[in-house]
Amino acid sequence: QAVVTQEPSLTVSPGGTVTLTCGSSTGAVTSGHYPYWFQQRPGQAPRTLIYDTSNKHSWTPARFSGSLLGGKAALTLSGAQPEDEAEYYCLLSYGGREVFGTGTKVTVL
Amino acid sequence: EVQLVQSGAEVRKPGESLKISCKASGYSFTNYWIGWVRQMPGKGLEWMGIVYPADSDTKYSPSFQGQVTISADKSISTAYLHWSSLKASDTAMYYCARREGGYAYWGQGTLVTVSS
Repeated sequence: QAVVTQEPSLTVSPGGTVTLTCGSSTGAVTSGHYPYWFQQRPGQAPRTLIYDTSNKHSWTPARFSGSLLGGKAALTLSGAQPEDEAEYYCLLSYGGREVFGTGTKVTVL
Repeated sequence: EVQLVQSGAEVRKPGESLKISCKASGYSFTNYWIGWVRQMPGKGLEWMGIVYPADSDTKYSPSFQGQVTISADKSISTAYLHWSSLKASDTAMYYCARREGGYAYWGQGTLVTVSS
């Protein structure tokens, strides 16, 4: 089974920009992995921010964007807010089966 | 309004069986894959598998194949996650989620505690 790797933790200043990445042990991440990004706050269920690399849901704040960057999926947060402090997970699809990333703890400080 | 409502918290002993549920409403249940996700205490999310209610087709993560059974009853718009013999290491929060549209809809989670 593929291993999907994320940065364990990142810190961003309020109003600052941070990019989270999501890599695959099988090689470059492509649009064919249909990358998803989820946010999970403590004690809450995950919620999807981004799907299919860069698509947003109606509830996704405009400051979040998804892309492919250097062979990885990327989630960029531009203009961080205190409420963005959370755990972020990516999810990649491998021919119908999916694998979550290891998660990134984002601190807004 | 799309809703996924999961069954309540469960406490079981090792070796016991358990089936938890995820009842869907607000959309055509048979047309969308439903997935199950595990989150062990203080740990990350793990994709367990998915079921297509129209024909009960299932796909499992290799990590969970043979350890759990995922099923669906389209007559009552409900998906299930079943263990035939629980282990202490099955203690976790379990979430169901509708896959299409980027896992937009999630259940509230079911906490399963396995302890002697």
